[in-house]
Amino acid sequence: GENVEQHPSTLSVQEGDSAVIKCTYSDSASNYFPWYKQELGKGPQLIIDIRSNVGEKKDQRIAVTLNKTAKHFSLHITETQPEDSAVYFCAASIRPGAQKLVFGQGTRLTINP
Amino acid sequence: DSGVTQTPKHLITATGQRVTLRCSPRSGDLSVYWYQQSLDQGLQFLIQYYNGEERAKGNILERFSAQQFPDLHSELNLSSLELGDSALYFCASSVTEGAVNTEAFFGQGTRLTVV
Repeated sequence: GENVEQHPSTLSVQEGDSAVIKCTYSDSASNYFPWYKQELGKGPQLIIDIRSNVGEKKDQRIAVTLNKTAKHFSLHITETQPEDSAVYFCAASIRPGAQKLVFGQGTRLTINP
Repeated sequence: DSGVTQTPKHLITATGQRVTLRCSPRSGDLSVYWYQQSLDQGLQFLIQYYNGEERAKGNILERFSAQQFPDLHSELNLSSLELGDSALYFCASSVTEGAVNTEAFFGQGTRLTVV
């Protein structure tokens, strides 16, 4: 089955700097790659997603890139702010329409003021 | 607020017991998904229902079962509970399962502690 690896497990950056989180997936049939942000005591919240027919997508300070050949995708957060501190999860969906997400292990991002 | 409601928020029970977790999806969403989040296993997909029918199964134990009712709310039943079942259980919902992947909205979760 699908396997998603996420790195790093923890990331600490200075406020205003950029943060990059990387994920690799194993199943070339995966076609949907969402990123979720989980704050303490809350459920995962979708922050951005990308489909396999697109190489890059941007939404204000957040961007995601996808390299289908290498089977990896990355989350980029620019101009980080303290409220960006959270755990971030990447995921991959292997079956179109079923939304059976396979999650990475998560990255705890800490923004230092 | 995602619009997905899970109850209860916290649950403490003893080993061997049975519990029921409840999920109300967002208005209009037909698909409900259950996920388990534990420290060692991360977020794991358990099961999906679409308009009352089971659609996909993940790593769900035989001691666990779920159903989706005509009003589209869903329940996850966990029986013969073991210490290792202690985890956060999330419900998510999406509009449809269609031909195109759609966003899944997660609830706040139920924290289950088995003692």
